Amino acid sequence: GNSVTQMEGPVTLSEEAFLTINCTYTATGYPSLFWYVQYPGEGLQLLLKATKADDKGSNKGFEATYRKETTSFHLEKGSVQVSDSAVYFCALSRSGAGSYQLTFGKGTKLSVIP
Amino acid sequence: DGGITQSPKYLFRKEGQNVTLSCEQNLNHDAMYWYRQDPGQGLRLIYYSQIVNDFQKGDIAEGYSVSREKKESFPLTVTSAQKNPTAFYLCASSNTEIQPQHFGDGTRLSIL
Repeated sequence: GNSVTQMEGPVTLSEEAFLTINCTYTATGYPSLFWYVQYPGEGLQLLLKATKADDKGSNKGFEATYRKETTSFHLEKGSVQVSDSAVYFCALSRSGAGSYQLTFGKGTKLSVIP
Repeated sequence: DGGITQSPKYLFRKEGQNVTLSCEQNLNHDAMYWYRQDPGQGLRLIYYSQIVNDFQKGDIAEGYSVSREKKESFPLTVTSAQKNPTAFYLCASSNTEIQPQHFGDGTRLSIL
């Protein structure tokens, strides 16, 4: 079956530090990949997505590249801010089977300190 | 603005009681979903519906029920059979597998 594995948190960084959150997946076919962000007490917001191999998703300074050869979709940001403190979820959507299900990783909590 | 509205934001359940969580969307999306979020466990799919009057069990459907009588609405009932209902419940909707799912702001359910 499908699965997503994220690096365990929590992750604590100083402001302006470089961020990497690792995400690897197992899936049949050619899934689409997503990063979602959840701020305290809120629902999930789409951060970025990639729909095919070698696609790079980017938004608000965050980037992730769909690597089929390593089945990875690592999230990166060059300089984090305090406002980036949140929980980040990697997810995949199975393609071509008529199913709309997303499979989520367990989430990685990021805290950025001034 | 289009979006997903979940209500109430906080809900308390007494022992043996059924409670219903509301989810309404005005995005004209075909598919809707319910997830349960527990600390450190990510999101787990309870039920999903791809079209009106049809829905499918997800990974943890036991103790829950849903209906989809209208495209815009997908209420979730937490029944007394769900012995550990305390969690954060999230509703989502989407059109296709590739378009991302849009989420509501959640309902936090607690036991009295």
